[in-house]
Amino acid sequence: DGGITQSPKYLFRKEGQNVTLSCEQNLNHDAMYWYRQDPGQGLRLIYYSQIVNDFQKGDIAEGYSVSREKKESFPLTVTSAQKNPTAFYLCASSPQGGAREAFFGQGTRLTVV
Amino acid sequence: GQQVMQIPQYQHVQEGEDFTTYCNSSTTLSNIQWYKQRPGGHPVFLIQLVKSGEVKKQKRLTFQFGEAKKNSSLHITATQTTDVGTYFCAEDNAGNMLTFGGGTRLMVKP
Repeated sequence: DGGITQSPKYLFRKEGQNVTLSCEQNLNHDAMYWYRQDPGQGLRLIYYSQIVNDFQKGDIAEGYSVSREKKESFPLTVTSAQKNPTAFYLCASSPQGGAREAFFGQGTRLTVV
Repeated sequence: GQQVMQIPQYQHVQEGEDFTTYCNSSTTLSNIQWYKQRPGGHPVFLIQLVKSGEVKKQKRLTFQFGEAKKNSSLHITATQTTDVGTYFCAEDNAGNMLTFGGGTRLMVKP
């Protein structure tokens, strides 16, 4: 089955620790995105990547880092510099050209304890 | 990034009533996409509108793109409990930056 997979589904982190969220897609999509969603809120763009080895900051990139070493993978690291990291994190991918429908993963719910 | 405003933020309706959510921008939009997110789930693509004045229908859902390409609407006729969720509009601009509105949360009373 083609799709986009995020892991883990739930993640607990101690304050001061970095944590990396995984996002893998086998849809052969060029573009990938990371969004943050707080309870009852919309989706805010953290980082996006249009092509391997290239990525751009979104609206709320501070305290986060990403890499795009492979087309299929776009991991997000939540660093200790992120002051309020508890949130639902969504990864998405889309093709270049055409309708460019974005496909989302199931999300990772991160809780700082 | 592009500011896409969505109203209302919440809407309660009785099952069978109609529902509309609006998406507005101060600048011209390249296109507009609509997504639905069920409670506890992830957003799922519904449709994309590209042309000025475009209207598309999916069963009970009607999507419109304004003539000036600065606003869009999603209208649901005769809501059902399965319509519950949050509806988002999003702009996919030329830079591949997919920016979402704040969403409208629809609650349907049976």
